[in-house]
Amino acid sequence: AQSVAQPEDQVNVAEGNPLTVKCTYSVSGNPYLFWYVQYPNRGLQFLLKYITGDNLVKGSYGFEAEFNKSQTSFHLKKPSALVSDSALYFCAVRDGQFGTGGFKTIFGAGTRLFVKA
Amino acid sequence: EPEVTQTPSHQVTQMGQEVILRCVPISNHLYFYWYRQILGQKVEFLVSFYNNEISEKSEIFDDQFSVERPDGSNFTLKIRSTKLEDSAMYFCASGGLRDTGELFFGEGSRLTVL
Repeated sequence: AQSVAQPEDQVNVAEGNPLTVKCTYSVSGNPYLFWYVQYPNRGLQFLLKYITGDNLVKGSYGFEAEFNKSQTSFHLKKPSALVSDSALYFCAVRDGQFGTGGFKTIFGAGTRLFVKA
Repeated sequence: EPEVTQTPSHQVTQMGQEVILRCVPISNHLYFYWYRQILGQKVEFLVSFYNNEISEKSEIFDDQFSVERPDGSNFTLKIRSTKLEDSAMYFCASGGLRDTGELFFGEGSRLTVL
């Protein structure tokens, strides 16, 4: 069974500084890894994904994430934070391809990002 | 831009009543999901649906829950006899034609059970 952990409940960063939101995962097959963002009273929005290929993936709003197989991590990063980035961020994992346990995407507990002006 | 729509946005019901939450997924998507989120915290998987049948369900999705896609556009979640602990935000999501992996979420239906 797959699992995903976000070790930080909250991350605080000053505007203009780089930010990192951490995620580690566990799967039995090849991981499909995702980051989603949730603004207050809204649904989740897809930010980026890693399925295969380059370990550094780029996504929406200037976010990127680095897949590290040896550390089973997929940390979300942004070089320069904006106040508008303040939101709840979810890491998610799916175990392998569709039809081989790939029907279920599991989400981490979420990390609340506060960007201070 | 295509989007997933959910109704109602908020429903208040008495314990023991039946509730139906409705979703219209993105029109050419093939994979459908229900998740729930309690108090803005963890997003919990309930069920996935593909090719007109349940593909996978969690331990939360017991006999009180059911899903169907009655007319090829709507995707519904029914809770037969609601409990207090069913109070949550319920999110519908759909996945694309070629299963690229990412999910597209609706804005959610808030269920309050009194």
